[in-house]
Amino acid sequence: RKEVEQDPGPFNVPEGATVAFNCTYSNSASQSFFWYRQDCRKEPKLLMSVYSSGNEDGRFTAQLNRASQYISLLIRDSKLSDSATYLCVVGQAGTALIFGKGTTLSVSS
Amino acid sequence: NAGVTQTPKFRVLKTGQSMTLLCAQDMNHEYMYWYRQDPGMGLRLIHYSVGEGTTAKGEVPDGYNVSRLKKQNFLLGLESAAPSQTSVYFCASSYRVAGDQAKNIQYFGAGTRLSVL
Repeated sequence: RKEVEQDPGPFNVPEGATVAFNCTYSNSASQSFFWYRQDCRKEPKLLMSVYSSGNEDGRFTAQLNRASQYISLLIRDSKLSDSATYLCVVGQAGTALIFGKGTTLSVSS
Repeated sequence: NAGVTQTPKFRVLKTGQSMTLLCAQDMNHEYMYWYRQDPGMGLRLIHYSVGEGTTAKGEVPDGYNVSRLKKQNFLLGLESAAPSQTSVYFCASSYRVAGDQAKNIQYFGAGTRLSVL
């Protein structure tokens, strides 16, 4: 079983749509959780950290379910500029982060 | 506001040639990392460093060497390049986080695109 698994997509949605990405992780000792965004031929950049209580940043909402070892990202009112690959990232104390392979989103007008 | 800077941005090598990729960060981060990214494979950790003078192997270290002689620099070396090392290489850095792991955020350089013919 891979450490961090994501549906690769692509997810093709119209502007204004709501889209959700899911991610599962295998190590129950994982302590940190993030979503990164990567644009085509660019470096990954932090989108948001994910907290146990769930957290929201504008149109983006992240949820963590430790019991099911499951992380989600919800994007509301999708914009053309949201088109990118979204990386689910998990870390344990004192070790490097583990990156999922990413989910590709394409938002069209 | 440089952040993490990688040089060179592009390079073409012949099989058997050697080269060094340089990563420099100006954020006083303790930790630095080298990843490679290949289509369908995601980011894979090559080597990392938790401080000046220390390095450790990641998931795919074979064929690479690293050095961290100064805190701000992390060098990745290919002694004898092979076509399988054609990839995009990313360097990243982060603070040393002893407590709240939610602060363990990595900042990436713009990448080096390497082709080995």
